[in-house]
Amino acid sequence: DGGITQSPKYLFRKEGQNVTLSCEQNLNHDAMYWYRQDPGQGLRLIYYSQIVNDFQKGDIAEGYSVSREKKESFPLTVTSAQKNPTAFYLCASSIGRGVQETQYFGPGTRLLVL
Amino acid sequence: GDSVTQMEGPVTLSEEAFLTINCTYTATGYPSLFWYVQYPGEGLQLLLKATKADDKGSNKGFEATYRKETTSFHLEKGSVQVSDSAVYFCALNTNAGKSTFGDGTTLTVKP
Repeated sequence: DGGITQSPKYLFRKEGQNVTLSCEQNLNHDAMYWYRQDPGQGLRLIYYSQIVNDFQKGDIAEGYSVSREKKESFPLTVTSAQKNPTAFYLCASSIGRGVQETQYFGPGTRLLVL
Repeated sequence: GDSVTQMEGPVTLSEEAFLTINCTYTATGYPSLFWYVQYPGEGLQLLLKATKADDKGSNKGFEATYRKETTSFHLEKGSVQVSDSAVYFCALNTNAGKSTFGDGTTLTVKP
């Protein structure tokens, strides 16, 4: 059964701590994305990766880092430099390019600050 | 740049009412258009899409027609159910390769 998994569902961060959110897909998609969603708002792009070992900053990359060592995996680290990390984080992968691209989303991770 | 403007919510309807959620866009070239649905505490699910002018996307009783002349992709459903309560996002893709999402419209359907 193909899909995108994100873990954990809920994550708590202490002051000054880095935390890593997991995103795995078995859809054989090349491209993967991380979005941040704040209450009552739309999606903002944090980072994206079109291919293994390559990634680009999105609109709000400051305070975040990513890696793409394997096609299936695109973990996001929320660093201590991100001063307002409380949000719902969504990972997506996509098939196709340009106007033919369709994104598919994981179930999300809710990050809360203690 | 590219943009998507959605009807502001929240929208509250009674069960079996007709639903329209407006979506208009600005984009260079000819984008593909999408509607996603997000149930509480979950990720976004692709609801329907259309890749060229006059195409109609449909799924689960929802429909949207790609209108190039009015740059619109309004979501409609003839008879909503309580289970349709969710947040609906309109989105587009262009050949530049980056997706643009609207801010979402919250729908609540009351029995």
